[in-house]
Amino acid sequence: DGGITQSPKYLFRKEGQNVTLSCEQNLNHDAMYWYRQDPGQGLRLIYYSQIVNDFQKGDIAEGYSVSREKKESFPLTVTSAQKNPTAFYLCASSIPGGSYGYTFGSGTRLTVV
Amino acid sequence: KQEVTQIPAALSVPEGENLVLNCSFTDSAIYNLQWFRQDPGKGLTSLLLIQSSQREQTSGRLNASLDKSSGRSTLYIAASQPGDSATYLCAVTNYGQNFVFGPGTRLSVLP
Repeated sequence: DGGITQSPKYLFRKEGQNVTLSCEQNLNHDAMYWYRQDPGQGLRLIYYSQIVNDFQKGDIAEGYSVSREKKESFPLTVTSAQKNPTAFYLCASSIPGGSYGYTFGSGTRLTVV
Repeated sequence: KQEVTQIPAALSVPEGENLVLNCSFTDSAIYNLQWFRQDPGKGLTSLLLIQSSQREQTSGRLNASLDKSSGRSTLYIAASQPGDSATYLCAVTNYGQNFVFGPGTRLSVLP
């Protein structure tokens, strides 16, 4: 079945470490997105990519980095510059323009220890 | 800039009731509107997608309507069940833009 796979489900980061969250899709979607969700808040867009080898900053890109070397993969790195990284991270994909809506992965919960 | 609000923020109802969740958006020139369900600690599951030329969509006990002129969408859930307990989010997109999400309505259906 087609879908989006996020791994790991839980991730713990020490102060000063960089960590990478994985997002893989087999839906043949060109566009992929990363969102951050904090308790009591809506989803906030971190980065998005409309096509391979291209990506744009969202509303809260500071302290994060991404790459898009393959159509299927859009990993997110949370760098040590992100001062408050504890959150639930969601990856999504769509065809360009979102005509058929977004499909989401199951999320990664990142905790700073 | 598109803004999306959802009322109420939380709702608790007895099993079997019909209920309505509301979503409002500030820019009526939307391209699509999508309703999602999110269970605690899980990702978002798409429920219904309404494209700009449509007025409503139905899936089982769910019916979503769209009134672009008033900047509103409603999600109607018929004969609610405890398994419907979750957070419901709506999201809208304008042409060429990314989806903007509302904060969600947390629904509890009591047995």
